[in-house]
Amino acid sequence: NAGVTQTPKFQVLKTGQSMTLQCAQDMNHEYMSWYRQDPGMGLRLIHYSVGAGITDQGEVPNGYNVSRSTTEDFPLRLLSAAPSQTSVYFCASSSPTGSGNTIYFGEGSWLTVV
Amino acid sequence: AQSVSQHNHHVILSEAASLELGCNYSYGGTVNLFWYVQYPGQHLQLLLKYFSGDPLVKGIKGFEAEFIKSKFSFNLRKPSVQWSDTAEYFCAVNARTNAGKSTFGDGTTLTVKP
Repeated sequence: NAGVTQTPKFQVLKTGQSMTLQCAQDMNHEYMSWYRQDPGMGLRLIHYSVGAGITDQGEVPNGYNVSRSTTEDFPLRLLSAAPSQTSVYFCASSSPTGSGNTIYFGEGSWLTVV
Repeated sequence: AQSVSQHNHHVILSEAASLELGCNYSYGGTVNLFWYVQYPGQHLQLLLKYFSGDPLVKGIKGFEAEFIKSKFSFNLRKPSVQWSDTAEYFCAVNARTNAGKSTFGDGTTLTVKP
């Protein structure tokens, strides 16, 4: 199993550009989430999904869109990048069965908006 | 809404000292509780988790945590820290009725001096 795979690992964007962070998991987990990590602020939930076709907002959803067309994939879209979106982004997945809802994280995507 | 509070932002210890990191959560219902560790430059990894049963939970690398329901606390402990424990530690909670939405604390940076 590859676990949770995020791409790209590093990205520099100009203000106003759009981009998509890709996330895929091969563990057949129902739940998937996107977090951003900023110094001193821990991990903040952006959006999450409890299954294909179902998404919901987290703590800091503004400026981001998500969709969940398949169980495996959960892309995060930045519609018009702003410097405030410079952060490290983590995709995560979990399941209420089997692994007992342990959250598995991807390796992170470092995004800089200039 | 659920929330997590970690009391210590930065802890500095000498090797062999005992460690206790505080974590309190806010949620009125039944919860799942987690401690994650993030070593420098790496993604988050599970240290331990509590779902039910014995409130004293043992995890990897000699860590343990005690769930005290009356205090809404889930403090992390280790009797004797090592230099390799230097990392950032995150407490997390999700509600049993909405386990796809996990909330993390701001994190505690632990520095262990050799």
